[in-house]
Amino acid sequence: SQKIEQNSEALNIQEGKTATLTCNYTNYSPAYLQWYRQDPGRGPVFLLLIRENEKEKRKERLKVTFDTTLKQSLFHITASQPADSATYLCALDQSSNYQLIWGAGTKLIIKP
Amino acid sequence: DAGITQSPRYKITETGRQVTLMCHQTWSHSYMFWYRQDLGHGLRLIYYSAAADITDKGEVPDGYVVSRSKTENFPLTLESATRSQTSVYFCASSESLAGGLGSSYNEQFFGPGTRLTVL
Repeated sequence: SQKIEQNSEALNIQEGKTATLTCNYTNYSPAYLQWYRQDPGRGPVFLLLIRENEKEKRKERLKVTFDTTLKQSLFHITASQPADSATYLCALDQSSNYQLIWGAGTKLIIKP
Repeated sequence: DAGITQSPRYKITETGRQVTLMCHQTWSHSYMFWYRQDLGHGLRLIYYSAAADITDKGEVPDGYVVSRSKTENFPLTLESATRSQTSVYFCASSESLAGGLGSSYNEQFFGPGTRLTVL
């Protein structure tokens, strides 16, 4: 069956360090992958999209990589700040019907 | 205010009652979605709509009904609420759907969510 995995355990990072979150998938061949941020009590907010033919995408302190051979995307936040603390979700398209399939998210905690 | 809104934000109901969750967007986006979010699960798609009067089932449609008579509104109805439908419900909209290489894409914009408790 199709599956997306994100670390279920919270990731604790010291302020100023780089946070790296992982999104692994099986039995998919997505055309693109999206990353969202979700704060408690709020809806997800779009951050970045990366296509299958792109290896890396950057936006300010954010960087996403996409390895279709490993079936994995890495999401990096450099120079992390306490305000970056949130849950980060990855989502992949289902090429057959264009619906997004979502990971359960990883909670990131940046400690001052 | 512009954006996507949901109402109510919180709802407590009893098993067997009908409940309608409202979703309104001001962008005139073609696509709208209803998801549920449960602890330990990713967002799961209930229903989506490509345009007014066009709706389709998602991953978990059983027990839910949707309609879309106007582009800006996409209400979700639980016909006879069950305890398993206790969840946080998110509405989202998108200008279009991505269709692979060479296709346009758009991110999904989410509402603030409705926390529904079925007793």
